[in-house]
Amino acid sequence: EPEVTQTPSHQVTQMGQEVILRCVPISNHLYFYWYRQILGQKVEFLVSFYNNEISEKSEIFDDQFSVERPDGSNFTLKIRSTKLEDSAMYFCASSVTGDSTEAFFGQGTRLTVV
Amino acid sequence: GESVGLHLPTLSVQEGDNSIINCAYSNSASDYFIWYKQESGKGPQFIIDIRSNMDKRQGQRVTVLLNKTVKHLSLQIAATQPGDSAVYFCAEGGEGTYKYIFGTGTRLKVLA
Repeated sequence: EPEVTQTPSHQVTQMGQEVILRCVPISNHLYFYWYRQILGQKVEFLVSFYNNEISEKSEIFDDQFSVERPDGSNFTLKIRSTKLEDSAMYFCASSVTGDSTEAFFGQGTRLTVV
Repeated sequence: GESVGLHLPTLSVQEGDNSIINCAYSNSASDYFIWYKQESGKGPQFIIDIRSNMDKRQGQRVTVLLNKTVKHLSLQIAATQPGDSAVYFCAEGGEGTYKYIFGTGTRLKVLA
């Protein structure tokens, strides 16, 4: 069964550093998403991406964040100048159509900012 | 502000019994609702959705009920199995947007 893969599974970084979270969506999918889940809290939508541009973003997704599909297979989330409160599980998802209910989620990257 | 919440943080049911997981929403403008299942160490998995023009929708062993009058959503799982053990959370939103508001989640424990 095809799946969304995320690397690394766990990333520890020092406050102020930049991190890049990587995702390989399912190969024929065209829509890509990032969500985050702070430990013990709700899943939060960050951003959706289609046709090499952001289609929608939440209030959380400020200038500190950026996304990119650099090579046609990877979908990355960059967090610049990380803060302690960025510590969370970050989930990537992809879907064939823009119906995000059909989205398949990866297993997540746990980001710990120290 | 608007929020989505769950009544019960943990629900324990006997294997074979039916499970009912509840969700309250407060944004009356929401017209689309989704239930997700999240197993330990995995990402959320779509279970079933319902639009506001419906009050019931059935899937395989699952039924979602929507009561717009009291802004309440429920997920019914028939003949609960050990593999159903997970955290279940609801999400609300509108068509044409990905900005769903997610609930905190209810942990379902299936007892053998």
